Amino acid sequence: GAVVSQHPSWVICKSGTSVKIECRSLDFQATTMFWYRQFPKQSLMLMATSNEGSKATYEQGVEKDKFLINHASLTLSTLTVTSAHPEDSSFYICSARDLRVGSYNSPLHFGNGTRLTVT
Amino acid sequence: KNEVEQSPQNLTAQEGEFITINCSYSVGISALHWLQQHPGGGIVSLFMLSSGKKKHGRLIATINIQEKHSSLHITASHPRDSAVYICAAHVNTDKLIFGTGTRLQVFP
Repeated sequence: GAVVSQHPSWVICKSGTSVKIECRSLDFQATTMFWYRQFPKQSLMLMATSNEGSKATYEQGVEKDKFLINHASLTLSTLTVTSAHPEDSSFYICSARDLRVGSYNSPLHFGNGTRLTVT
Repeated sequence: KNEVEQSPQNLTAQEGEFITINCSYSVGISALHWLQQHPGGGIVSLFMLSSGKKKHGRLIATINIQEKHSSLHITASHPRDSAVYICAAHVNTDKLIFGTGTRLQVFP
C-alpha cells in the first residue's frame, strides 16, 4: 500500500539553528502534501499545504519565513524550521494524498512524525 | 466552541468490551476521517466516509449528515486497540479540521 516516509523521527537541536524535516511519498506521486504540528495533549493543527512546483500555502498565524517549505519533486516535500526556539519544540507530521484513487476525497497517508526538541 | 468535537476525551475499557467514540461537527463537510494515533505519534487513516456506514474488521464507522454526527465503534476491544482516535472534518478540497482526540486504553 501507499506509504509516506518522514525523516528524521526525532531531532534535538540548539536554539538558533535550523532543522530540516523530509516527507517522501514512497510509491505514489503527491502533488500536494500537508504539514501539521501537534503540541502535547492537543490535536493536530494544519500549518501549511505544500504544492509541487509552486509556493506553499500557509495557515493563518504560521510564519512562512520561519517554516520554509519546499516541494521540489512529486515525491518529496521538506519543512525547514529556521532559527529554532524552544517554543518550536513540537511534533511535526506530514501527510499526502494518493490521487491515483481519484479526487479530493482520496485517502490520506501520514508520515510517522518528527519530534523536535529545541534546547 | 470547536468546529469538531469528540467525546469522550478519555476512555478506559476491559478487553472484549464494545466501544463507541462520538464526533460532532458544526461545519459543512465533504467527508469525515477517523484516524488512529499510536503512542509513538504515527497516524493511520482508519476510515473516510461521506455517508452511511463502513466496516473494517472490528471497526465500524457511521455518519449522519443531517445531524452532523459520526461514531466510531470497536467491537471485542483488545489492548492493542489502545491509542488516540481522532476525527477530522474535510471542509473543502484540502483542509482538515481535527477533533481533540479520544484517548482509549483497553486493559486485559
